[in-house]
Parts: sequence; C-alpha cells; structure tokens
Amino acid sequence: GQQLNQSPQSMFIQEGEDVSMNCTSSSIFNTWLWYKQDPGEGPVLLIALYKAGELTSNGRLTAQFGITRKDSFLNISASIPSDVGIYFCAGLLYNAGNMLTFGGGTRLMVKP
Amino acid sequence: DARVTQTPRHKVTEMGQEVTMRCQPILGHNTVFWYRQTMMQGLELLAYFRNRAPLDDSGMPKDRFSAEMPDATLATLKIQPSEPRDSAVYFCASGSEAGASNQPQHFGDGTRLSIL
Repeated sequence: GQQLNQSPQSMFIQEGEDVSMNCTSSSIFNTWLWYKQDPGEGPVLLIALYKAGELTSNGRLTAQFGITRKDSFLNISASIPSDVGIYFCAGLLYNAGNMLTFGGGTRLMVKP
Repeated sequence: DARVTQTPRHKVTEMGQEVTMRCQPILGHNTVFWYRQTMMQGLELLAYFRNRAPLDDSGMPKDRFSAEMPDATLATLKIQPSEPRDSAVYFCASGSEAGASNQPQHFGDGTRLSIL
C-alpha cells in the first residue's frame, strides 16, 4: 500500500539534544498523527493534527501540519533516555474513512 | 484510560496449527483494524471494519487468514493453517468514525506470534 516517506530512519543522539523528524507524501492528507512505540508495546498516539499549518505541542514534543498538507514534522526538545523508541507518522486521506497510511518509522536512540 | 485489549500477548505454536487472536476495541469505537508488524515490512494493514462490517481486507492472505467481528466488543483474526512466515506481531487498533468527525486509532499491545 501507499507509504509515507519518513526520515531519518534512525537517530542516535546525546541526552539533552533536540530531535527533528519528518514525513512527506505526494498525496494530500487531511489529518496527520504521530505515534511512539516502545519495545514490546503497541504504538501510542502522541499528537494529532487536523488543520494545515497547525502547530501543536505536547510537553517537549511539537508537531506541525505542513501548509501544503503533504508533510508534517515532529520535534522533541531536550531529549531524555525515555524518549527511546520508534516514532511513526501517519496520515489520513480525505474520504479514506478512518484508514491510516503509515510512515516507515524513525528509531530514536538516546545516549545518557 | 480506555484501552484496546488483545489476547494472547504471546503465542508459540507449530506450523499447521490454527491460531486465533482476539481484540476488544475501546467501548464506543466503531472502527477496528488489524495490522501485522515485521522488521522487514513495518506496519501492514490486514483488515478494516466499520460498524462490524469488513470494508477492506485486501492486505490479508485470503487462503489462510480470516477476520471477523462477532459483536461490537470482539474482533478476531484467525490463521489456518499457520506457517513460519506468519511469525510477526499482530496489532489491533480501534477508532471512531462519524461523518466528518474521526477519532484517531488507538492500538493494543499486540500479539507476538511465533510459528515453529
């Protein structure tokens, strides 16, 4: 099925550094979601974006819905060891009901 | 917090055996999804139900996989006969879809399946 282009695929950073990851698509989405998956668990919803240009924060996390509706980014400020995990972007196409298109994931590793 | 509940969490069985995975969606959600996650393929959508009716199961191998929703509180995914290549983590997710107002999908913790 259709995939979102998510980058980077993996990041290995020092604790305290800021992190940025993004997703792009050739299709227009009307909703962007960001999930985090910890080892052995299911993805957990972090942030949901519903309007083009929308900028939303959740603690140290900030995500934006691109103005073209074809991209989104997620920033994590002042990373900590518990930020380790896989981050997935997901988009909802217009008229696709509740069916999501997922990015390939960004694996984040944080060095204490 | 309301959660999607999946059972079993882990399953190890021999090839050829029937495997049944169960999912209890969040109360009030009317959409249910089954995904398979592997290192190579990432998250793959297998089946999508809305109001218990299957809408899309194009990602599911039809010869051995079947997905059903006997009632609004239970979704099942069956594999018969199972094969080693079916080894993966299977996730169920539920959401709410009501006209122009969609609620995002929430995931269960998955069933880790190993077929020997």
